[in-house]
Amino acid sequence: QKEVEQNSGPLSVPEGAIASLNCTYSDRVSQSFFWYRQYSGKSPELIMSIYSNGDKEDGRFTAQLNKASQYVSLLIRDSQPSDSATYLCAVNNYGQNFVFGPGTRLSVLP
Amino acid sequence: DAGVIQSPRHEVTEMGQEVTLRCKPISGHDYLFWYRQTMMRGLELLIYFNNNVPIDDSGMPEDRFSAKMPNASFSTLKIQPSEPRDSAVYFCASRSLGQGRDTQYFGPGTRLTVL
Repeated sequence: QKEVEQNSGPLSVPEGAIASLNCTYSDRVSQSFFWYRQYSGKSPELIMSIYSNGDKEDGRFTAQLNKASQYVSLLIRDSQPSDSATYLCAVNNYGQNFVFGPGTRLSVLP
Repeated sequence: DAGVIQSPRHEVTEMGQEVTLRCKPISGHDYLFWYRQTMMRGLELLIYFNNNVPIDDSGMPEDRFSAKMPNASFSTLKIQPSEPRDSAVYFCASRSLGQGRDTQYFGPGTRLTVL
């Protein structure tokens, strides 16, 4: 049974701080890892994908992957109130089904 | 590209009625997924298709749910008869595989309320 776990939060950070979101997964053969952002009442939106161990940066977002520890994280630098949303972690083995975590609710306080 | 298109965006119906949700995937994507999202259960995969063929329908809750994909540009999810516990947001997503990259995009969702 594939599982993806996330802290449900809410995670509250002050504006301008770094928000750190964590995700662990149980299936060692997982190859692809994704972070989706979902605003209340909206659909999930892909913000980052990562396929190799290490860091991947895109603007204020950095995804970190450690396959040995079965751990993937998302860092948001200079957090803004507009970053307040639920962040969903998803994993899969290329071409196979996506498995989503329950999501972490992030609140950035002005 | 217009992205994944779903209709209707909102549906309110009475228990026992038939409900049909529609989805048009992104052109060229050969996978299509139907998800259901509730506060209690989060995002659940119901069924997915590859090249119009259903691959895994183990997430379909019961026989009242059925899904079809008659061609590459259209899919339906039908609930007959509907029940109040089916109230949820239903998302359709399509997926592109290529050059070792695997990307899935969601439609805007259909908010279903069964009274």
